[in-house]
Amino acid sequence: KNEVEQSPQNLTAQEGEFITINCSYSVGISALHWLQQHPGGGIVSLFMLSSGKKKHGRLIATINIQEKHSSLHITASHPRDSAVYICAVRYNTDKLIFGTGTRLQVFP
Amino acid sequence: DTEVTQTPKHLVMGMTNKKSLKCEQHMGHRAMYWYKQKAKKPPELMFVYSYEKLSINESVPSRFSPECPNSSLLNLHLHALQPEDSALYLCASSLPGPGGYTFGSGTRLTVV
Repeated sequence: KNEVEQSPQNLTAQEGEFITINCSYSVGISALHWLQQHPGGGIVSLFMLSSGKKKHGRLIATINIQEKHSSLHITASHPRDSAVYICAVRYNTDKLIFGTGTRLQVFP
Repeated sequence: DTEVTQTPKHLVMGMTNKKSLKCEQHMGHRAMYWYKQKAKKPPELMFVYSYEKLSINESVPSRFSPECPNSSLLNLHLHALQPEDSALYLCASSLPGPGGYTFGSGTRLTVV
């Protein structure tokens, strides 16, 4: 069982829709990262969270430490948002533990 | 400079070749990482350097040899690779503790 669970695994949406991707983890962490990877591309760090909520443009990330759960929201989705979104957690080490990713496709 | 730069972007090598991947950052990050990523899978950690010392080796075969010549540079030397080693190799760096990670854009390696 992966220590970091993401849902859904695959997600399709129409342009303009509000999108939510969920991430759950099993033990206490020092930080949680949301990452984006376009097909064939490298990884871009979107957010690092240890508590609360962060917003950047149309992207919002929240974390609930008590429930060990984080969500990534995309408002007014656009085809260029099509990518794999990966949740990764960091414990008290240098290692990141990755979720299996959510493959998002946004159609015009 | 807020980037991790990886070179080359693409590499094709034969099973008897020796090649090196290079990673560079000038953000003052003290931890640097090599990850391997196969298609449609999350990245797998290979090595971690902390303050220029190898701190984690995830039981990687000896045909992969990391090197950290200074705090800004990380190399991965490749020798006698197998076709199954074909993958995207990602470098990352971070501050110590729960700091942000910065990933490079990767080197896509094909072993023929």
